[in-house]
Formats: sequence, structure tokens, C-alpha cells
Amino acid sequence: NAGVTQTPKFQVLKTGQSMTLQCAQDMNHEYMSWYRQDPGMGLRLIHYSVGAGITDQGEVPNGYNVSRSTTEDFPLRLLSAAPSQTSVYFCAIGDSTDTQYFGPGTRLTVL
Amino acid sequence: QQQVKQSPQSLIVQKGGISIINCAYENTAFDYFPWYQQFPGKGPALLIAIRPDVSEKKEGRFTISFNKSAKQFSLHIMDSQPGDSATYFCAASMRFNKFYFGSGTKLNVKP
Repeated sequence: NAGVTQTPKFQVLKTGQSMTLQCAQDMNHEYMSWYRQDPGMGLRLIHYSVGAGITDQGEVPNGYNVSRSTTEDFPLRLLSAAPSQTSVYFCAIGDSTDTQYFGPGTRLTVL
Repeated sequence: QQQVKQSPQSLIVQKGGISIINCAYENTAFDYFPWYQQFPGKGPALLIAIRPDVSEKKEGRFTISFNKSAKQFSLHIMDSQPGDSATYFCAASMRFNKFYFGSGTKLNVKP
């Protein structure tokens, strides 16, 4: 997965719990993004970052927070998990040629 | 409103046949159009991509056809093989690596 690591691989939460999905890269790429993948919906952009200290919202940002204090890490925080956030989450990194590399994903279930 | 519309949802092709997947977009600010291949339990992987200044790009058995005036692009897989069985996503992006994905096509190549 081209130098993108995601942890954990699987997670089960109860409604209202909070957690952080981790994404780390060793490619020194500027761009990092978080997507969620739901059946029949493709991948939808949650938040993205064009560099350390800079983040912006994607298509479906509600219920999620991000920060980017270093080039390497881009954690995604769920403040108060809801069943609608049950999904597979992918982190992606990208370079200036627009090529994007995806991590292996985190499968999250919210009960 | 879905930015990129993809069809068909699923496709069955005989080994050696041609697989064709179509996508359409509305936003003329998009300037990069990739196709991703995803196997079960894995993250999407870049297959082939095109920019709007060319009408066709070929890499091995995979070809993208791009029609700028119609705002459509398609993926053609020649001599389809059982190993090509996967889910395929088209996408479109503008600046800052901000991608919008189609809903996916599940391809099954029968031996």
C-alpha cells in the first residue's frame, strides 16, 4: 500500500464513544485524505490536507475532525460515534502529479 | 448531488471478451480522471488515468476513452481475464488532490 499505514484494521464502538483512526505515511507526500466507503456509494471524501497545518472539508465532514501537525500523520477523530458512521475508512496520500495511493483501510462498526 | 456517475453497477464478461465501464461528470473544472481497481479487503489501486487534453490513453489491455464535449469517459478492458474480476471505480479531481468517485462497477470475468 505504497507506504501508507492505517490502524486499527478493525474496530467496534458503541454509540456515543469517541475514537481516533490513525494514518501515517513514509513517502513525504504533501496531500493526505480520508474517505469512507459504503456499499453502492463509492468512496466519499471526508477531509483532506494539502500540507502540515492545513486541512479542509470534503463531501461528508460532519461528525469527524482532523488535524495535521506533521507531514507524516493525519488522524481522523470521531467525537461521538453514531451507527451511520459504520463504514470502511481509507486514508490516501498524493503527490503533485495527482497520483493517489490508498492505505489498507479500517473497518468500523458502531453499535 | 453525485459529481461522477458510473455505470453499470455490475458486469459479467466471458474470458477473452471486452469489458466496458462508463462514467459521466458535470463539473468542467475537473482536470484529472483516474480509474481505480479494488479487490475485496484491499484499498483501491490506481489502474490508469487521463487528463482532458487527450482523447485516449492505453496501457496494456486497459484503455481510457475521453470525450470532453460530452463530459464522459470510459474504461475498456481488452481480452478480459478472471484475474481482472474486481470492483472498478472512476474518479475525477480538481486541484489539491480533491477526488470525487463514481459508485463502482463490480466486474466478474467468467472462465
